[in-house]
Amino acid sequence: GAVVSQHPSWVICKSGTSVKIECRSLDFQATTMFWYRQFPKQSLMLMATSNEGSKATYEQGVEKDKFLINHASLTLSTLTVTSAHPEDSSFYICSARHLGPEQYFGPGTRLTVT
Amino acid sequence: AQKITQTQPGMFVQEKEAVTLDCTYDTSDPSYGLFWYKQPSSGEMIFLIYQGSYDQQNATEGRYSLNFQKARKSANLVISASQLGDSAMYFCAMREAVTTDSWGKLQFGAGTQVVVTP
Repeated sequence: GAVVSQHPSWVICKSGTSVKIECRSLDFQATTMFWYRQFPKQSLMLMATSNEGSKATYEQGVEKDKFLINHASLTLSTLTVTSAHPEDSSFYICSARHLGPEQYFGPGTRLTVT
Repeated sequence: AQKITQTQPGMFVQEKEAVTLDCTYDTSDPSYGLFWYKQPSSGEMIFLIYQGSYDQQNATEGRYSLNFQKARKSANLVISASQLGDSAMYFCAMREAVTTDSWGKLQFGAGTQVVVTP
């Protein structure tokens, strides 16, 4: 149990366009979902926390107008990178938790902006 | 301020040997949890082991054990009988008490790259 999926697994887009990444909890209801970004050879950096039906809480330094997060249901959260630029190229990972301490991670989405 | 410190950027270990990955943390919250995750080159984050701050015994999961020294604020991961498939990046993470500000978010260390050699 406790499976989290992400779609797409990789995406290439042109500079200036927007791209949406989906995160789904497949077999449990996620009260909270988290979005991370990871650059090569670096650790995971938390971008934002989202709770179903409420606005996302962004970490300091993360532009909320650039990284739009929507948590429309207890099983789906989306991250939209708006007006993407090459510096946004990264590995984006979501995680989800229900009531316990564990966070279950998705497989990640590799974004390349050309 | 860095709350999770992993001082070993990389380690080589021979197959079948044990390896200890260091992790120290900093918190004033009496209720917290410590996690270890494995990240192979594919990128997925694989949960290995969890230790709660109030747990009396060290956590164990198969070949993984967590050496929890609360007074020293350390939570080292021990992998026994290393296998070639253990080659990966290993992250230590901490979750402080769930509040409406933190929502149980994890803070990660910088990671340790482990390479298991035949």
